[in-house]
Amino acid sequence: SQQGEEDPQALSIQEGENATMNCSYKTSINNLQWYRQNSGRGLVHLILIRSNEREKHSGRLRVTLDTSKKSSSLLITASRAADTASYFCATDDDYKLSFGAGTTVTVRA
Amino acid sequence: EAQVTQNPRYLITVTGKKLTVTCSQNMNHEYMSWYRQDPGLGLRQIYYSMNVEVTDKGDVPEGYKVSRKEKRNFPLILESPSPNQTSLYFCASSLNGPGHEQYFGPGTRLTVT
Repeated sequence: SQQGEEDPQALSIQEGENATMNCSYKTSINNLQWYRQNSGRGLVHLILIRSNEREKHSGRLRVTLDTSKKSSSLLITASRAADTASYFCATDDDYKLSFGAGTTVTVRA
Repeated sequence: EAQVTQNPRYLITVTGKKLTVTCSQNMNHEYMSWYRQDPGLGLRQIYYSMNVEVTDKGDVPEGYKVSRKEKRNFPLILESPSPNQTSLYFCASSLNGPGHEQYFGPGTRLTVT
């Protein structure tokens, strides 16, 4: 069963704008990760946030985690055409990793 | 170069013909796993392996087998493929568990007719 669900399913923005997507999950987690996938290729790890952390930054990425609401958000600032991709959140217990269905982001030039 | 490789990248086969998709990593990772990706469903974990000779079922293991005889290799076996196994398959590895950065292979697109 899928643990995480992303919202929105799709997002279209202008180059230079910020993109925000959300992930909700159902059960307690150890960590939450975000991945990017370009057009059917292998996923690339973006950032990992632990359950005892609330916010994390990496370059133009900002991730927040609210364990009381079982939700996370990924913010991409100053988007570029190269940010066009699908973004997935993934949660883990001690053994398994569960992905959501993803948010497809299109950045228009 | 640190990488996860999968072969073949594309495969068209017929129902019932046994096939194996190979996966190999050169990073000395303990944890390896297989996923299938279907439109609108994201990635679903098929099997995972915490270490050599230790494998366990993920969320969608039916119709699949795996083995982990060596740390670097984690083949996915479809003993009798069916059309509902048509999908995009990814192998991934990480240092020592799901709570670490996963390195993904390039994917294998399988069509079963």
